[in-house]
Amino acid sequence: DAKTTQPTSMDCAEGRAANLPCNHSTISGNEYVYWYRQIHSQGPQYIIHGLKNNETNEMASLIITEDRKSSTLILPHATLRDTAVYYCIVSPLHQGKSTFGDGTTLTVKP
Amino acid sequence: DADVTQTPRNRITKTGKRIMLECSQTKGHDRMYWYRQDPGLGLQLIYYSFDVKDINKGEISDGYSVSRQAQAKFSLSLESAIPNQTALYFCATSGENTDTQYFGPGTRLTVL
Repeated sequence: DAKTTQPTSMDCAEGRAANLPCNHSTISGNEYVYWYRQIHSQGPQYIIHGLKNNETNEMASLIITEDRKSSTLILPHATLRDTAVYYCIVSPLHQGKSTFGDGTTLTVKP
Repeated sequence: DADVTQTPRNRITKTGKRIMLECSQTKGHDRMYWYRQDPGLGLQLIYYSFDVKDINKGEISDGYSVSRQAQAKFSLSLESAIPNQTALYFCATSGENTDTQYFGPGTRLTVL
């Protein structure tokens, strides 16, 4: 499975957009990019996923570069409740082997 | 009610004891997973099951065993608990045609 690299931590001002980067330079053609977040020690929560096109849902947007070697998760208007650890994962479709790295700790500040 | 439940939520036990953690889901998913999380680190896959008759080892299966009693139930056992198995344990499920996983609230296990 492809390995991902994320910054250890980031800060963001409340109300501003939070842009969380992820590098996955060894991603294979059949691997999807998934994002989850974990608030405190709760179970991780699914945010969004994509293959090659940009995706948007009610929580966030996912921008994947054309070469698919990196992606950015965008929280358009961060709130204090978005403070969490964000995990970027690349996963072969339907193989069930998601590898969670250490993620990025996002702190949203007033 | 929560779609994925785990029992117990907290457990303190002693070295050498056998421990079972249980996971139940009402999402109707075939696939279930057990993860371990050490403090400040990401999740590591222990075991996963694609259906009742299919069980697979993950990254860190040594010292653990699992049982898939039904589509909705997946149990994790520590045959002889040791202190370095102190961690948060999460159960998750996913549907057959998606890799989106839905997690339970976790079990905090402390082995003294």
